[in-house]
Amino acid sequence: LAKTTQPISMDSYEGQEVNITCSHNNIATNDYITWYQQFPSQGPRFIIQGYKTKVTNEVASLFIPADRKSSTLSLPRVSLSDTAVYYCLVGDPYNTDKLIFGTGTRLQVFP
Amino acid sequence: ETGVTQTPRHLVMGMTNKKSLKCEQHLGHNAMYWYKQSAKKPLELMFVYSLEERVENNSVPSRFSPECPNSSHLFLHLHTLQPEDSALYLCASSPSQGIGYTFGSGTRLTVV
Repeated sequence: LAKTTQPISMDSYEGQEVNITCSHNNIATNDYITWYQQFPSQGPRFIIQGYKTKVTNEVASLFIPADRKSSTLSLPRVSLSDTAVYYCLVGDPYNTDKLIFGTGTRLQVFP
Repeated sequence: ETGVTQTPRHLVMGMTNKKSLKCEQHLGHNAMYWYKQSAKKPLELMFVYSLEERVENNSVPSRFSPECPNSSHLFLHLHTLQPEDSALYLCASSPSQGIGYTFGSGTRLTVV
């Protein structure tokens, strides 16, 4: 799996938009970018996945530039319940039999 | 409820005890995994099972012994653990091929 680099932590306030950027310079042609969210003492939860350009679901948006060497997870109007660790993973979901997690980004949302 | 159920949620055991962690999935997935998450560390992959066959063992000490009797159940048998084995143990499952892994809520293990 391609190595990823994310900020260790970020702070925000309720109602703000949060953008978490992930660098993956060695991304391969067949690799997708996937983001997971983890609350304390729980397992990671799938948020969003994309290959290029922009993907949006009911939870977040994922922006991927043309060179795909980075990606940005965008959380609109965060609330206190969005306080969690966010992991960026890069790999071929159709040919990868395991997930390798990095240290993730710890997001703290304040009132 | 994610479709992957782990029991117990919390476990405290002495270093001479023998215990087992259980994981059950009702998603029809063919692959199951054990991960370990220690405090302030990334998740570490321990074991991978695909179609009930172990396909990977990431140099895990023999005091951890996995068992996968069928594609819906996964166990982690524990014996003579050390205090540094205290961690959150997470089970996950996935289709044999496809997107997205589903994790359970984990078992918080404390070795005293």
